[in-house]
Amino acid sequence: ELKVEQNPLFLSMQEGKNYTIYCNYSTTSDRLYWYRQDPGKSLESLFVLLSNGAVKQEGRLMASLDTKARLSTLHITAAVHDLSATYFCAVERNTDKLIFGTGTRLQVFP
Amino acid sequence: NAGVMQNPRHLVRRRGQEARLRCSPMKGHSHVYWYRQLPEEGLKFMVYLQKENIIDESGMPKERFSAEFPKEGPSILRIQQVVRGDSAAYFCASSPLNQPQHFGDGTRLSIL
Repeated sequence: ELKVEQNPLFLSMQEGKNYTIYCNYSTTSDRLYWYRQDPGKSLESLFVLLSNGAVKQEGRLMASLDTKARLSTLHITAAVHDLSATYFCAVERNTDKLIFGTGTRLQVFP
Repeated sequence: NAGVMQNPRHLVRRRGQEARLRCSPMKGHSHVYWYRQLPEEGLKFMVYLQKENIIDESGMPKERFSAEFPKEGPSILRIQQVVRGDSAAYFCASSPLNQPQHFGDGTRLSIL
C-alpha cells in the first residue's frame, strides 16, 4: 500500500528565513504533486514532478524529486507572510488516484 | 474553458437525511475522482469513475455511500442516512486519460 509522509506537520517561521518541507513515499510513483490550500479553500496546484532529479521553481518556492530515495522537497526561500497556508504533497501511481500526505501547516510571522 | 464545477458549495443536512453532491468535470475530461477531507487532515481518495463505470472504489465506506458518473450529466456522490462523522469537505477532480487531475472548489457538508 502506498503511503505518503510529510514533515514537519507544523512550521512557524520568521519572514526572510529559509526552510524545507519533506515528503517521503513508500513505493514507486508516476507523478508527484505539490499543492497549496488556504483555509476553507480548494487546492492550488504548485508543481508536478515527473522524473528523477526534476527541479521546478516558482517565485520563492522550489520543488525537487529524488525517485531513488522516494523523497521530494519543497524549499521556501526568504519567506513572506503571503506564503502562510497548508502545503500538501501527493503521489500518483497507475493514474488512478492521488495519495496525499498529511500536510504541513506553514505560518510566517514578521 | 470552465474548471471543475461542484455544487452545492455548502450543504447542511440533519442526521438521517440524504446528501447529494454534484460534480461536472472539465470539458473533454472523462475521468472523475472524489476525495474527502476531514477537518485538519489531508485529502483521502474515495472513488474513481469513468463514464458509466466505477474503476476504483477502494476508498468508499462500505455502507451508505455511492457514486455514479452517468453517460449524460454530472457525477453524483450520494450519502444516505448521514451521521455527524460525515461532516467534511468533499472534493471532485477530473482529468483526461493519463493526465494530471484538476480539482473543483469542493462541497462543505455539515451535519446537524
